[in-house]
Amino acid sequence: AQRVTQPEKLLSVFKGAPVELKCNYSYSGSPELFWYVQYSRQRLQLLLRHISRESIKGFTADLNKGETSFHLKKPFAQEEDSAMYYCALSGGRGGSQGNLIFGKGTKLSVKP
Amino acid sequence: ETGVTQSPTHLIKTRGQQVTLRCSSQSGHNTVSWYQQALGQGPQFIFQYYREEENGRGNFPPRFSGLQFPNYSSELNVNALELDDSALYLCASSLDADTQYFGPGTRLTVL
Repeated sequence: AQRVTQPEKLLSVFKGAPVELKCNYSYSGSPELFWYVQYSRQRLQLLLRHISRESIKGFTADLNKGETSFHLKKPFAQEEDSAMYYCALSGGRGGSQGNLIFGKGTKLSVKP
Repeated sequence: ETGVTQSPTHLIKTRGQQVTLRCSSQSGHNTVSWYQQALGQGPQFIFQYYREEENGRGNFPPRFSGLQFPNYSSELNVNALELDDSALYLCASSLDADTQYFGPGTRLTVL
């Protein structure tokens, strides 16, 4: 079964500390993996996708097919990173996002 | 560039009633996906429309139905509402099913 697991509901860190938001997936085939973010009172928006292999707002994520993981990392957290983060996968190819399967989300709280 | 808009913002219905939610796609987009987000959960895929045709459906009963219009706006219809249908309904538009841009959602409460 296709599934995305985010084991932490809440992650609290201090400003300047490293952050790692965990994401594990279950999918037979080659999935596309994404991280979405929702800041307070804002809509859900794409943060990054594994095929682009880029860093957005200092965040990076590496797809590890052996461990079926796609953890989101940032070396130095900022207060403005506080938000809800969702990991998602799609069975689409070439960037196609048909059916996005989301995890339950992790709320990141960065304290001053 | 106009973003994805949804209407209404909030809605209260009673069990057994029917509801229609609306979504206007971002300019230039031809694909619309609908998601249900229950409290404390991630969004769950309902269905996707591409150029007015259904292009995939999640594990939702037939009382959840949709339409996409020639201008690529879309409707989600839910018949025979149940208490468990209470959720935030999200619409996302994209070009050729690529990166999805989400709307602000419609909060549906079923009493």
